Amino acid sequence: EAGVAQSPRYKIIEKRQSVAFWCNPISGHATLYWYQQILGQGPKLLIQFQNNGVVDDSQLPKDRFSAERLKGVDSTLKIQPAKLEDSAVYLCASSLWTVSGNTIYFGEGSWLTVV
Amino acid sequence: LAKTTQPISMDSYEGQEVNITCSHNNIATNDYITWYQQFPSQGPRFIIQGYKTKVTNEVASLFIPADRKSSTLSLPRVSLSDTAVYYCLVGERSRGSQGNLIFGKGTKLSVKP
Repeated sequence: EAGVAQSPRYKIIEKRQSVAFWCNPISGHATLYWYQQILGQGPKLLIQFQNNGVVDDSQLPKDRFSAERLKGVDSTLKIQPAKLEDSAVYLCASSLWTVSGNTIYFGEGSWLTVV
Repeated sequence: LAKTTQPISMDSYEGQEVNITCSHNNIATNDYITWYQQFPSQGPRFIIQGYKTKVTNEVASLFIPADRKSSTLSLPRVSLSDTAVYYCLVGERSRGSQGNLIFGKGTKLSVKP
């Protein structure tokens, strides 16, 4: 079974520039998440989609971050303009709820360095 | 959401059994306990999940006492490849709510030869 696909794997940009990350979840998974993981810390949820609707975006810095999930499959996360403190790994994850539970599967992440 | 506390780091040797304990004093009745493993340069990977007593799978065991205020992840006979960060999370397992799990800093396990 194919896992969660993310691209690009690595990105270096200057502050105030923009960047976009793409995610393709596991086929059939209705729920998609974007997490931010700063070095040395655990992942922090930025936004959660259920199909193409937003369930939780309370921790998404909406002045510079945006995310969409058109057609309820792929998703993109955009940062514009980027700040130095946005340097982190951006993890996409997906899950499928069944009667036995809801396990989240993560991609390998997109590493962002803002200089 | 229940907050979790776990050791920042642990050291072990190959072949030993490793037990990582997590405290979650404010766990709610509907909360489940889930453990994830994360290797460098990779996303977290689900290890095990439980509600009470003991759960075992091919990778690990999870022990949960009756009061559920703590849990212990047990890794039998660790190898060098088990060196990773282990996260303990508590949250509802109901539809649509799993994403609200809060990751702490985790426990960095170092396995030595």
